[in-house]
Amino acid sequence: GQQVMQIPQYQHVQEGEDFTTYCNSSTTLSNIQWYKQRPGGHPVFLIQLVKSGEVKKQKRLTFQFGEAKKNSSLHITATQTTDVGTYFCAGTYSGYSTLTFGKGTMLLVSP
Amino acid sequence: DADVTQTPRNRITKTGKRIMLECSQTKGHDRMYWYRQDPGLGLRLIYYSFDVKDINKGEISDGYSVSRQAQAKFSLSLESAIPNQTALYFCATSYGTGNFYEQYFGPGTRLTVT
Repeated sequence: GQQVMQIPQYQHVQEGEDFTTYCNSSTTLSNIQWYKQRPGGHPVFLIQLVKSGEVKKQKRLTFQFGEAKKNSSLHITATQTTDVGTYFCAGTYSGYSTLTFGKGTMLLVSP
Repeated sequence: DADVTQTPRNRITKTGKRIMLECSQTKGHDRMYWYRQDPGLGLRLIYYSFDVKDINKGEISDGYSVSRQAQAKFSLSLESAIPNQTALYFCATSYGTGNFYEQYFGPGTRLTVT
């Protein structure tokens, strides 16, 4: 079946450092969504990318969708302690109506 | 989101017991989902429903059943709980037109099967 691979599984950074998490699929995705889950919380939607090569920004967060629509990344510039949490990508495949989630990247930020 | 509620929030049960987890939403969404989260495994889809008369199995439906009692209510049952069903369970909802809508998650139910 379809799988969305996400790396790294875990990253610990110092506040102010940058952070990137990557998602990869062997099959073309129709769209990709990103969610953030704070410790002890539930996943919260961040953004959706649909077009090939699409780049979207939300303040210090930059989201990219690859040209082949098989990979995506989330980059955080100058991390803050409020960025702590697990970031999930989730994609939809053509002909399917549900999301396939990556396993997530847990981000820890030390002050 | 307070718009998606789950009960109970925590539950400890014994092997072999039947247990029901409930989800209610006030968002008016047609689509509802049940996910299971285990450490390091992400979110895995158990069942989903696109309207009251539509129920579909997800990736890991064995050992689970669901009921869509109304547009706003979607329940997950474990007929005979086993320890490897210990996990964090999330209900989620989304709009029903098209495939590309964000999902809204409830606060989760932490289930422990001893």
